[in-house]
Amino acid sequence: EVQLVQSGAEVKKPGESLKISCKGSGYSFTSYRIGWVRQMPGEGLEWMGIINPGDSDTRYSPSFQGQVTISADKSISTAYLQWSSLKASDTAMYYCARHLNSGWIYDTFHMWGQGTMVTVSS
Amino acid sequence: DIQMTQSPSTLSASVGDRVTITCRASQSISTWLAWYQQKPGKAPKLLIYKASSLESGVPSRFSGSGSGTEFTLTINSLQPDDFATYYCQKYNSDSPYTFGQGTKLE
Repeated sequence: EVQLVQSGAEVKKPGESLKISCKGSGYSFTSYRIGWVRQMPGEGLEWMGIINPGDSDTRYSPSFQGQVTISADKSISTAYLQWSSLKASDTAMYYCARHLNSGWIYDTFHMWGQGTMVTVSS
Repeated sequence: DIQMTQSPSTLSASVGDRVTITCRASQSISTWLAWYQQKPGKAPKLLIYKASSLESGVPSRFSGSGSGTEFTLTINSLQPDDFATYYCQKYNSDSPYTFGQGTKLE
């Protein structure tokens, strides 16, 4: 079964660092790009960026460039989203998602993780 | 960046109705458009890709059309399970692959 399984909910304080994960299984992890999508409470979907797990080529939305880091470890079929210094405004649900087509740079999201809720509060 | 605008923001309908949601791009994106359905507390689900291609397993009452800057998602014979929020997303060569702001079908 093709699936993406994300790490569990996190509660952090402002200024703390965080790295959440997304593990792919049931397919060739290095063949499909994985992206991250933010959904703030009660709001819509925001595309954050994507990574090619095969060579770690990464593209960010200008809105998130410099604010987060997307990475991947192909040896364990896992993608990551990390923050060096969290803010209260980072409170949101974060989804990872896999591209529809193998090898495509520009593509839509076919398979989604279950989401990781990140809460940042003092 | 290319902006995606959906209308309406909220749509009231009844079981059995035919509904249409519109998504407009600020520049041409050819047919590089997808539609998703999201239910509360769940991850989005891909319905339509390449503007009009139905994702495997999605009921045929869902259909998409359009090209360039104007696109529509149509749901024929609305079912109780279809009440959700719908998003369009462009994915042409220029990232970011922006989503529309969403249409809540109630």
